[in-house]
Amino acid sequence: QQQVKQSPQSLIVQKGGISIINCAYENTAFDYFPWYQQFPGKGPALLIAIRPDVSEKKEGRFTISFNKSAKQFSLHIMDSQPGDSATYFCAASMGNQFYFGTGTSLTVIP
Amino acid sequence: EAGVAQSPRYKIIEKRQSVAFWCNPISGHATLYWYQQILGQGPKLLIQFQNNGVVDDSQLPKDRFSAERLKGVDSTLKIQPAKLEDSAVYLCASHYRPSGRPYNEQFFGPGTRLTVL
Repeated sequence: QQQVKQSPQSLIVQKGGISIINCAYENTAFDYFPWYQQFPGKGPALLIAIRPDVSEKKEGRFTISFNKSAKQFSLHIMDSQPGDSATYFCAASMGNQFYFGTGTSLTVIP
Repeated sequence: EAGVAQSPRYKIIEKRQSVAFWCNPISGHATLYWYQQILGQGPKLLIQFQNNGVVDDSQLPKDRFSAERLKGVDSTLKIQPAKLEDSAVYLCASHYRPSGRPYNEQFFGPGTRLTVL
């Protein structure tokens, strides 16, 4: 059973464009929603995270939008750069248990 | 602050052989996780430790996989005997809840890429 559903599986964006990755969850007990960035040969690294009591969190070019009623959250990467090319995973957590999406491979074309 | 350390980084074995992976979490992190990441998929939890006790091993194939965390610090994950479908990256992560921060943080090691021939 997939606790967190992520789409799209892959994404190609022009440099300077906006990348949008979407995730959905079912369990309302989740209380923490992180996004991880993973480069080839590396482990996932925390990029940005949000709690369900806020609807948006922005850190630099990265923004999480959170819709509690729809049980959906998304990552927006503004002004996408070739260096952003990586795999992105959303996750949902309750306590110290984490559930991951299936990942989105982002390619930013120069 | 040193990150999560894992070794080896790469391992190639033949099916039916055994293999062991080692993880040293960030100092002071009580929770340690082992994940299996098959190419093109998200990390799948194999086992979770809190100090030296097992919290969740419901997805660990116990007929071939075992893990231990003696003394509540570093951990080893073993596969015996290995199957072709065990080819994956094995990630170790550790977790803590920073004081004064509203949420939890999980830190991953670089992973061990296992190829079973």
